[in-house]
Amino acid sequence: ETGVTQTPRHLVMGMTNKKSLKCEQHLGHNAMYWYKQSAKKPLELMFVYNFKEQTENNSVPSRFSPECPNSSHLFLHLHTLQPEDSALYLCASSPGERDDEQYFGPGTRLTVT
Amino acid sequence: LAKTTQPISMDSYEGQEVNITCSHNNIATNDYITWYQQFPSQGPRFIIQGYKTKVTNEVASLFIPADRKSSTLSLPRVSLSDTAVYYCLVGDNSNDYKLSFGAGTTVTVRA
Repeated sequence: ETGVTQTPRHLVMGMTNKKSLKCEQHLGHNAMYWYKQSAKKPLELMFVYNFKEQTENNSVPSRFSPECPNSSHLFLHLHTLQPEDSALYLCASSPGERDDEQYFGPGTRLTVT
Repeated sequence: LAKTTQPISMDSYEGQEVNITCSHNNIATNDYITWYQQFPSQGPRFIIQGYKTKVTNEVASLFIPADRKSSTLSLPRVSLSDTAVYYCLVGDNSNDYKLSFGAGTTVTVRA
Protein backbone atom coordinates (compact mmCIF):
# COMPACT_ATOMS: atom_id res chain seq x y z
CA GLU A 1 0.00 0.00 0.00
CA THR A 2 1.37 3.37 -1.05
CA GLY A 3 -1.27 5.55 0.56
CA VAL A 4 -2.78 6.35 -2.84
CA THR A 5 -5.97 4.56 -3.84
CA GLN A 6 -7.72 4.52 -7.18
CA THR A 7 -11.20 3.41 -8.16
CA PRO A 8 -12.32 1.62 -10.12
CA ARG A 9 -9.42 -0.73 -10.80
CA HIS A 10 -10.92 -1.80 -14.11
CA LEU A 11 -13.35 0.01 -16.38
CA VAL A 12 -14.88 -0.86 -19.72
CA MET A 13 -16.80 1.89 -21.44
CA GLY A 14 -18.29 2.62 -24.81
CA MET A 15 -17.29 5.62 -26.85
CA THR A 16 -20.49 7.46 -26.01
CA ASN A 17 -20.34 6.85 -22.26
CA LYS A 18 -19.36 9.27 -19.52
CA LYS A 19 -17.40 7.91 -16.60
CA SER A 20 -15.06 9.19 -13.90
CA LEU A 21 -11.89 7.89 -12.35
CA LYS A 22 -11.22 8.66 -8.71
CA CYS A 23 -7.97 9.02 -6.83
CA GLU A 24 -7.49 9.61 -3.12
CA GLN A 25 -4.30 10.09 -1.17
CA HIS A 26 -3.91 9.68 2.58
CA LEU A 27 -0.41 11.09 2.82
CA GLY A 28 -1.06 14.77 3.43
CA HIS A 29 0.54 15.66 0.11
CA ASN A 30 -0.10 18.87 -1.77
CA ALA A 31 0.47 17.76 -5.35
CA MET A 32 -1.44 15.20 -7.39
CA TYR A 33 -0.85 13.87 -10.88
CA TRP A 34 -2.59 11.93 -13.63
CA TYR A 35 -0.51 9.73 -15.94
CA LYS A 36 -1.44 7.61 -18.93
CA GLN A 37 0.46 4.39 -19.54
CA SER A 38 -0.18 2.73 -22.89
CA ALA A 39 1.37 -0.51 -24.04
CA LYS A 40 4.89 0.01 -25.38
CA LYS A 41 4.89 3.75 -24.57
CA PRO A 42 6.52 5.73 -21.79
CA LEU A 43 4.50 7.06 -18.91
CA GLU A 44 2.81 10.22 -20.15
CA LEU A 45 2.13 12.96 -17.66
CA MET A 46 -1.33 14.39 -18.32
CA PHE A 47 -2.13 16.83 -15.53
CA VAL A 48 -0.55 18.21 -12.39
CA TYR A 49 -2.34 19.88 -9.50
CA ASN A 50 -0.61 21.69 -6.67
CA PHE A 51 -2.66 22.96 -3.75
CA LYS A 52 -5.80 22.22 -5.81
CA GLU A 53 -4.66 24.44 -8.68
CA GLN A 54 -3.83 22.95 -12.07
CA THR A 55 -0.20 23.71 -12.82
CA GLU A 56 0.37 21.51 -15.82
CA ASN A 57 -1.73 20.27 -18.73
CA ASN A 58 0.31 18.45 -21.31
CA SER A 59 -1.86 19.04 -24.38
CA VAL A 60 -4.43 16.53 -23.24
CA PRO A 61 -7.60 16.29 -25.40
CA SER A 62 -10.65 17.92 -23.90
CA ARG A 63 -12.45 14.59 -23.65
CA PHE A 64 -10.35 14.16 -20.49
CA SER A 65 -11.41 16.62 -17.81
CA PRO A 66 -9.64 16.67 -14.45
CA GLU A 67 -11.07 17.92 -11.19
CA CYS A 68 -9.31 18.50 -7.91
CA PRO A 69 -11.77 19.54 -5.20
CA ASN A 70 -9.15 19.37 -2.43
CA SER A 71 -5.57 18.25 -1.96
CA SER A 72 -6.63 14.69 -1.12
CA HIS A 73 -8.88 13.94 -4.05
CA LEU A 74 -8.41 13.95 -7.79
CA PHE A 75 -10.87 12.96 -10.48
CA LEU A 76 -10.58 12.34 -14.19
CA HIS A 77 -13.86 12.75 -16.02
CA LEU A 78 -14.09 10.89 -19.28
CA HIS A 79 -16.49 11.44 -22.19
CA THR A 80 -16.65 10.43 -25.84
CA LEU A 81 -13.38 8.54 -25.62
CA GLN A 82 -11.71 6.75 -28.49
CA PRO A 83 -10.39 3.17 -28.56
CA GLU A 84 -6.83 4.53 -28.54
CA ASP A 85 -7.54 5.99 -25.11
CA SER A 86 -7.52 2.47 -23.71
CA ALA A 87 -4.63 2.39 -21.24
CA LEU A 88 -3.64 2.21 -17.60
CA TYR A 89 -4.37 5.52 -15.89
CA LEU A 90 -2.15 6.16 -12.91
CA CYS A 91 -2.60 8.70 -10.18
CA ALA A 92 0.29 9.90 -8.03
CA SER A 93 0.85 12.35 -5.23
CA SER A 94 3.89 14.10 -3.78
CA PRO A 95 4.60 16.65 -1.06
CA GLY A 96 4.67 19.40 -3.69
CA GLU A 97 8.18 20.28 -4.74
CA ARG A 98 9.25 19.47 -8.30
CA ASP A 99 11.73 16.73 -7.44
CA ASP A 100 9.81 15.18 -4.57
CA GLU A 101 9.23 11.44 -4.62
CA GLN A 102 5.93 10.57 -6.22
CA TYR A 103 3.71 7.93 -4.69
CA PHE A 104 1.65 6.07 -7.26
CA GLY A 105 -1.68 4.36 -6.95
CA PRO A 106 -2.30 0.95 -8.54
CA GLY A 107 -3.97 2.46 -11.58
CA THR A 108 -7.26 2.04 -13.42
CA ARG A 109 -7.17 -0.24 -16.43
CA LEU A 110 -9.48 1.45 -18.95
CA THR A 111 -10.82 -0.26 -22.05
CA VAL A 112 -12.79 1.77 -24.57
CA THR A 113 -14.95 -0.30 -26.89
CA LEU B 1 12.26 16.82 -28.71
CA ALA B 2 15.19 15.29 -26.93
CA LYS B 3 14.01 12.93 -24.24
CA THR B 4 15.49 10.37 -21.94
CA THR B 5 16.63 7.14 -23.54
CA GLN B 6 17.17 3.78 -21.89
CA PRO B 7 17.84 0.26 -23.17
CA ILE B 8 14.60 -1.56 -23.83
CA SER B 9 15.56 -4.70 -21.94
CA MET B 10 18.31 -6.43 -20.00
CA ASP B 11 18.68 -10.00 -18.87
CA SER B 12 20.59 -11.13 -15.82
CA TYR B 13 21.01 -14.00 -13.41
CA GLU B 14 20.49 -14.11 -9.68
CA GLY B 15 23.40 -12.72 -7.72
CA GLN B 16 24.75 -10.58 -10.55
CA GLU B 17 24.99 -6.81 -10.64
CA VAL B 18 22.75 -5.01 -13.10
CA ASN B 19 23.62 -1.56 -14.43
CA ILE B 20 21.06 0.46 -16.38
CA THR B 21 22.10 3.69 -18.06
CA CYS B 22 19.73 6.50 -18.91
CA SER B 23 20.77 9.25 -21.33
CA HIS B 24 19.32 12.70 -20.72
CA ASN B 25 21.27 15.18 -22.83
CA ASN B 26 18.96 18.09 -22.09
CA ILE B 27 18.55 17.68 -18.38
CA ALA B 28 17.46 20.88 -16.67
CA THR B 29 20.25 22.44 -14.64
CA ASN B 30 18.55 22.32 -11.29
CA ASP B 31 16.76 19.02 -11.63
CA TYR B 32 17.45 15.81 -9.82
CA ILE B 33 17.53 12.40 -11.50
CA THR B 34 15.04 9.94 -10.10
CA TRP B 35 14.58 6.24 -10.75
CA TYR B 36 11.42 4.21 -10.31
CA GLN B 37 10.62 0.50 -10.38
CA GLN B 38 7.35 -0.92 -11.67
CA PHE B 39 5.95 -4.42 -11.29
CA PRO B 40 3.06 -5.70 -13.44
CA SER B 41 -0.34 -4.38 -12.41
CA GLN B 42 1.19 -1.87 -9.99
CA GLY B 43 2.15 1.78 -10.10
CA PRO B 44 5.83 2.77 -10.21
CA ARG B 45 7.72 2.91 -6.92
CA PHE B 46 10.58 5.25 -6.04
CA ILE B 47 14.02 3.64 -5.85
CA ILE B 48 16.65 6.36 -5.64
CA GLN B 49 17.38 9.98 -6.48
CA GLY B 50 20.52 12.01 -7.00
CA TYR B 51 21.88 15.26 -8.39
CA LYS B 52 25.55 14.47 -9.03
CA THR B 53 28.34 11.99 -8.24
CA LYS B 54 27.14 8.90 -6.40
CA VAL B 55 24.20 8.10 -4.19
CA THR B 56 23.63 4.80 -2.42
CA ASN B 57 20.74 3.44 -0.41
CA GLU B 58 19.69 0.03 0.82
CA VAL B 59 18.49 -1.17 -2.58
CA ALA B 60 20.58 0.56 -5.26
CA SER B 61 23.32 2.97 -6.21
CA LEU B 62 23.11 5.83 -8.65
CA PHE B 63 26.14 7.09 -10.54
CA ILE B 64 26.02 10.51 -12.20
CA PRO B 65 28.96 11.89 -14.20
CA ALA B 66 30.01 15.50 -13.92
CA ASP B 67 28.18 16.58 -17.08
CA ARG B 68 24.95 14.96 -15.83
CA LYS B 69 23.96 13.94 -19.35
CA SER B 70 23.48 10.38 -18.23
CA SER B 71 23.01 8.36 -15.08
CA THR B 72 23.48 4.71 -14.22
CA LEU B 73 21.31 2.78 -11.82
CA SER B 74 23.18 -0.12 -10.25
CA LEU B 75 21.32 -3.02 -8.66
CA PRO B 76 23.74 -5.19 -6.68
CA ARG B 77 23.23 -8.95 -6.45
CA VAL B 78 19.81 -9.09 -8.08
CA SER B 79 17.22 -11.69 -7.17
CA LEU B 80 14.18 -13.01 -9.04
CA SER B 81 12.03 -10.42 -7.30
CA ASP B 82 13.98 -7.62 -8.99
CA THR B 83 12.40 -8.55 -12.32
CA ALA B 84 10.56 -5.35 -13.21
CA VAL B 85 10.59 -2.29 -15.44
CA TYR B 86 12.92 0.51 -14.37
CA TYR B 87 12.34 4.14 -15.35
CA CYS B 88 14.46 7.26 -15.05
CA LEU B 89 12.76 10.62 -14.58
CA VAL B 90 14.35 13.99 -15.29
CA GLY B 91 13.37 17.49 -16.24
CA ASP B 92 13.90 18.22 -19.91
CA ASN B 93 15.03 21.74 -20.72
CA SER B 94 14.18 21.20 -24.39
CA ASN B 95 10.57 20.56 -23.42
CA ASP B 96 9.78 23.55 -21.25
CA TYR B 97 11.55 21.90 -18.28
CA LYS B 98 8.77 19.36 -17.94
CA LEU B 99 9.47 16.18 -16.05
CA SER B 100 9.79 13.29 -18.47
CA PHE B 101 9.93 9.57 -17.85
CA GLY B 102 12.16 7.37 -19.95
CA ALA B 103 10.60 4.51 -21.92
CA GLY B 104 11.69 2.07 -19.25
CA THR B 105 14.06 -0.87 -19.15
CA THR B 106 12.62 -4.33 -18.60
CA VAL B 107 15.02 -6.26 -16.40
CA THR B 108 14.53 -10.01 -16.34
CA VAL B 109 16.37 -11.96 -13.67
CA ARG B 110 16.73 -15.69 -14.19
CA ALA B 111 17.65 -18.40 -11.72
